[in-house]
Amino acid sequence: QKEVEQDPGPLSVPEGAIVSLNCTYSNSAFQYFMWYRQYSRKGPELLMYTYSSGNKEDGRFTAQVDKSSKYISLFIRDSQPSDSATYLCAMTDPTHDYKLSFGAGTTVTVRA
Amino acid sequence: ETGVTQSPTHLIKTRGQQVTLRCSSQSGHNTVSWYQQALGQGPQFIFQYYREEENGRGNFPPRFSGLQFPNYSSELNVNALELDDSALYLCASSLDPLAGGQETQDFGPGSRRQVL
Repeated sequence: QKEVEQDPGPLSVPEGAIVSLNCTYSNSAFQYFMWYRQYSRKGPELLMYTYSSGNKEDGRFTAQVDKSSKYISLFIRDSQPSDSATYLCAMTDPTHDYKLSFGAGTTVTVRA
Repeated sequence: ETGVTQSPTHLIKTRGQQVTLRCSSQSGHNTVSWYQQALGQGPQFIFQYYREEENGRGNFPPRFSGLQFPNYSSELNVNALELDDSALYLCASSLDPLAGGQETQDFGPGSRRQVL
């Protein structure tokens, strides 16, 4: 079993829809949670970072963490064609915070 | 885009050859990590360098080795290339671990390596 499992997708949504992305994890030591966006043939770009259970908002993006269920989510409101990319969840624990553990990624296409 | 740069951007090698990839960290970052990303997969941690020493290593064989230089730039060397080494190799830089915040890593554009 992988440490981090991510809903595989791909997802295709119309412009303006809400995109919902999810990851589960098995390592209860994970305390820091991140979402990265990766455009084709580019490196990952940090979108959201959180370390506590609950919601964190940044513009159209909301990151949600439920440590009791070992489940994290990213919501994208009012999705735009420019949001079309692969989204990667990543996490780490304080004693090994040099190493990010990633999900496999979910590819999202927003149709104009 | 982040200030992390990598070279070369793309290279083709044959089995058994050796390759060196290079990375320059973002200004203010003294820690460099390397990841391997196979097609359709998330990045896998290879190792991290801090103060010119290896600070942690993932599940990769010894033929994957690295260096960090006094200016914080880094190299990833792979000997005896295998077909499965075909992937995107990502470099990420972060803050000094003693200052905290090194869990947020800024990635470069990657070096795409194809092994024939």
